[in-house]
Amino acid sequence: KAGVTQTPRYLIKTRGQQVTLSCSPISGHRSVSWYQQTPGQGLQFLFEYFSETQRNKGNFPGRFSGRQFSNSRSEMNVSTLELGDSALYLCASSLRGGSTNTGELFFGEGSRLTVL
Amino acid sequence: AQSVAQPEDQVNVAEGNPLTVKCTYSVSGNPYLFWYVQYPNRGLQFLLKYITGDNLVKGSYGFEAEFNKSQTSFHLKKPSALVSDSALYFCAVAGGGNKLTFGTGTQLKVEL
Repeated sequence: KAGVTQTPRYLIKTRGQQVTLSCSPISGHRSVSWYQQTPGQGLQFLFEYFSETQRNKGNFPGRFSGRQFSNSRSEMNVSTLELGDSALYLCASSLRGGSTNTGELFFGEGSRLTVL
Repeated sequence: AQSVAQPEDQVNVAEGNPLTVKCTYSVSGNPYLFWYVQYPNRGLQFLLKYITGDNLVKGSYGFEAEFNKSQTSFHLKKPSALVSDSALYFCAVAGGGNKLTFGTGTQLKVEL
């Protein structure tokens, strides 16, 4: 069974640009969550999608957005990139979402974004 | 709001010795607690979780964790460490659905 797949694995952007990251969950998983990992702030929750609906959102500015498609694949977008957006962006999938889940997540290897 | 604290940035242990990675939590209500491990340039891997029941939880790769309600702790343990256990370990608490609040991580270094 294939794991969570994130693309691209590495990318470099400049300030002001925008970026789209993709996540394909484990087959059959309907929930996708996104986390940002940085040396200074650690792991921070961005948002969670289940059945194409955003179920939960972290404390990030509106420049960070996401969506989920009918096949459960998810994308996140960051507009008007800032230097501080440089991070490892991790996607995680689970079978269930919302209050029915108990937090056991399957993570992808991440997309490492560098903003110059 | 829930939170977890990992008081040690790094733990060093000799191979074959027992290891403990500490975690304390703060939640209102019943805690859902987790340990995840991250190897270099990889995503996180689930190790174990406490939802309810026995205070000693057994997980993957020989790891276990002890839930202590009175001390609000959830320490990760292993009876005999391996060099291959060297990695970054995160404690986390669930705050509704798949929103996990992670600790700052503890780097475990197991030496020969």
